[in-house]
Amino acid sequence: DIQMTQSPSTLSASVGDRVTITCRASQSVSTLLAWYQQRPGKAPKLLIYKASTLESGVPSRFSGSGSGTDFTLTISSLQPDDFATYYCQQYSSYSTFGQGTKLEIK
Amino acid sequence: EVQLVQSGAELKKPGESLKISCKTSGYKFTSYWIGWVRQMPGKGLEWMGLIYPRDSETRYSPSFQGQVTISADQSITTAYLQWSRLEASDTAIYYCARRITLFGVVAAAFDIWGQGTMVTVSS
Repeated sequence: DIQMTQSPSTLSASVGDRVTITCRASQSVSTLLAWYQQRPGKAPKLLIYKASTLESGVPSRFSGSGSGTDFTLTISSLQPDDFATYYCQQYSSYSTFGQGTKLEIK
Repeated sequence: EVQLVQSGAELKKPGESLKISCKTSGYKFTSYWIGWVRQMPGKGLEWMGLIYPRDSETRYSPSFQGQVTISADQSITTAYLQWSRLEASDTAIYYCARRITLFGVVAAAFDIWGQGTMVTVSS
């Protein structure tokens, strides 16, 4: 199994901040990686796929980068709706998710 | 509008069987894989497996192979997840989701998700 490790597990930030979440794979997944946002009590929402492709309708303040084993999700200017938990997902070999990063209000 | 609407919450006893559903609409059911994802209480997401409704080809995560069965009914554009004997450790929210089109790999990102079905297994 490919293991996905996200850091940090929890991130405290303020509205307007620029934040970055990291996802590391235990072996190369090329660019077969997605990012999701999950708000409490809701289903996950796809933000980015193929490491850097923004899903239709997702605000441009979200961006993704990376390839191989190291990936980042960046939110350029945090908005109140962005405080949620974020997951990465590899789909190179079956699929596994990272453990999640909870983005909290500072 | 593309929608995946899941069946309601379930309360079952250990050893009982269960089949939950995911009714799809707004797109061609036979053209997209449908997957299932587990989320145990307070925990992260776990990829369980997929089905291609056109021919019912299924792929399971090794962690869930033999533990659950994924199926689909083209006539009512619905996918299913079932257990023959539930355990307390099956208590979780289960999501169905539509896999984006991607060739050459088993899994891919999920672009549309159901609202989730809470399954509680308790004696």
